[in-house]
This record gives sequence, C-alpha cells and structure tokens, in this order.
Amino acid sequence: KNQVEQSPQSLIILEGKNCTLQCNYTVSPFSNLRWYKQDTGRGPVSLTIMTFSENTKSNGRYTATLDADTKQSSLHITASQLSDSASYICVVSRGDYKLSFGAGTTVTVRA
Amino acid sequence: SQTIHQWPATLVQPVGSPLSLECTVEGTSNPNLYWYRQAAGRGLQLLFYSVGIGQISSEVPQNLSASRPQDRQFILSSKKLLLSDSGFYLCAWSVLGGLGDTQYFGPGTRLTVL
Repeated sequence: KNQVEQSPQSLIILEGKNCTLQCNYTVSPFSNLRWYKQDTGRGPVSLTIMTFSENTKSNGRYTATLDADTKQSSLHITASQLSDSASYICVVSRGDYKLSFGAGTTVTVRA
Repeated sequence: SQTIHQWPATLVQPVGSPLSLECTVEGTSNPNLYWYRQAAGRGLQLLFYSVGIGQISSEVPQNLSASRPQDRQFILSSKKLLLSDSGFYLCAWSVLGGLGDTQYFGPGTRLTVL
C-alpha cells in the first residue's frame, strides 16, 4: 500500500530557532517527492520538489533532503519566523495523476 | 500566469440539502482537474479527477459527484448532504510535464454540514 508517514504530528518552536520535519514513505514506483506549506484555511503551496537522483533542495530558509534508498525525507527550517507557522505536507508521486499525501506536521512559531 | 479560483470560500448547509462548489482555472488550456477533501489530522483524499471536458473519474464511492462542463471549469455536487461531508474541499490543476504530475491547489472551500 502506498503510504506517507510524517513526524512529529505537531511542534512548537521559538522564533529564530531551527527545526526538522520527517517523512517516511512506501510509495512505489517513485517519481518525485514534494514538500508543501499550507497556511490555515488555505490551499497547499509547493516549497520543494526532488526526483530520485536529487538528495537536497533548498528554497530560502527551507532545505529538503531525500534518501531514496531508505525512503526518507526531511524538511529543515532555519531561523524560523512567525510566518512559518503552518502545516507542512509531504507528497510522493508515482509519476501519474495520483499523489500520496502525508497527514502533515503542524508547526507553531512563537515570539 | 495561471490562477485557480474556488467559491464559495465557506459554506454552512443543513443535512439533506444540495451542494454545488465551483472551481475555475485561468491561464492554461486542457488542464487535468482534481477535487480533494481534507479532514482534520488526515492527508488529502482524492475524490475526482478529470482529463478533459465531460471526462470524470471517481476515486471514492460516496454521495458526491463531479462535472466538467467547460475546459477550465470543475464542479463538485451533491443532491443530499450528509454530516460526514463536512470538511475542507480543495480543487487542483496540473499539466503533465517532465517532473510528473505537479499539482497546483486553489484556496479551498470550508464546508460545514449541520
């Protein structure tokens, strides 16, 4: 069964601190993995996308890593800001129309 | 640039009433269109997808239906809402490309069935 598991379910960090979110997947075949940011009450917005041959991708203060052998990915947020408060969703694609979504990690950044 | 619209943004409906949610895409032709439902604490669930006008594929059997009367218009409907239909509904579009199926999401509709 194609599954995507994210951890932790939620976390609280102080502004300016770093944090790392985890994603484990069993999706096969594998085409690419995306991290989305979803603000409360809004649609998800893509942060990064990585294919099998890529093991790291950055987008500003967001850095995603991928280990296709162990089927694990992480999203690292550096120097967090209040605007980083959101849900972060790991999404794995087989290369067709059907994506596999994680349940998301809710990040709360406090001043 | 491409833009995706959904309306209404929020909706409160009584059990047994009908439903119509609309999604339109601008700035692209012949997109693939998708309807998702997002329940609290769970991943997005694909409800319907469409590769062209009048072509609808259902992923989950339920009392919802979808239609695509125009190339860039996607409608989610129900004849009689259930309490379990409450949730956050997202429309998305994509165009198949070199990196597979990159999907872009609309702002969503929050539906509450009372």
